[in-house]
Amino acid sequence: QKEVEQNSGPLSVPEGAIASLNCTYSDRGSQSFFWYRQYSGKSPELIMSIYSNGDKEDGRFTAQLNKASQYVSLLIRDSQPSDSATYLCAVGGGINSGGGADGLTFGKGTHLIIQP
Amino acid sequence: NAGVTQTPKFRILKIGQSMTLQCTQDMNHNYMYWYRQDPGMGLKLIYYSVGAGITDKGEVPNGYNVSRSTTEDFPLRLELAAPSQTSVYFCASSYGTSGNTIYFGEGSWLTVV
Repeated sequence: QKEVEQNSGPLSVPEGAIASLNCTYSDRGSQSFFWYRQYSGKSPELIMSIYSNGDKEDGRFTAQLNKASQYVSLLIRDSQPSDSATYLCAVGGGINSGGGADGLTFGKGTHLIIQP
Repeated sequence: NAGVTQTPKFRILKIGQSMTLQCTQDMNHNYMYWYRQDPGMGLKLIYYSVGAGITDKGEVPNGYNVSRSTTEDFPLRLELAAPSQTSVYFCASSYGTSGNTIYFGEGSWLTVV
């Protein structure tokens, strides 16, 4: 069974600092990796996707992937109070794999609190 | 720009009652999913569909049924509701396999008493 592990937190970070969120996964065949943000009482919304080893930057967000270590992380620079939410790591198969049609496997999420 | 639309948003059911959660998407996505999310837990896949007429069980299918008569619609039926089915339900869709971004509806809060 595929597993995705995240520290549930809460992770408390001062405003303006870098928040670092981590995720490990069990299926070595995984090829797609996503970070979703979920505000309390709301649905998950995609903030980053990454498919290749290394870093991918989008504004204040950087996703990092290391397939050899089965590890994916999300860095949030210049953290803002509006970044306070639960961050879900999700892992799936390849874009054209033809398999893994049962969607993504989600971690339980890390609750992030940005302190003003 | 509707995306994935779920109804109802809130519902209280009595034990043993049945109901259907409606889901429709206007993005012409082939893949649709139903997840449930319990407090402090991750999303668990209930059922999924890779296209009209095709459905399959996910991780936690017991007590639920689905159908996919059209590309747009993917209703979830709860038969003989039990307190263990109290949860938030999310319908979602994607263009392709799990390598593609999944888009979520706004959620349906269900309480079974």
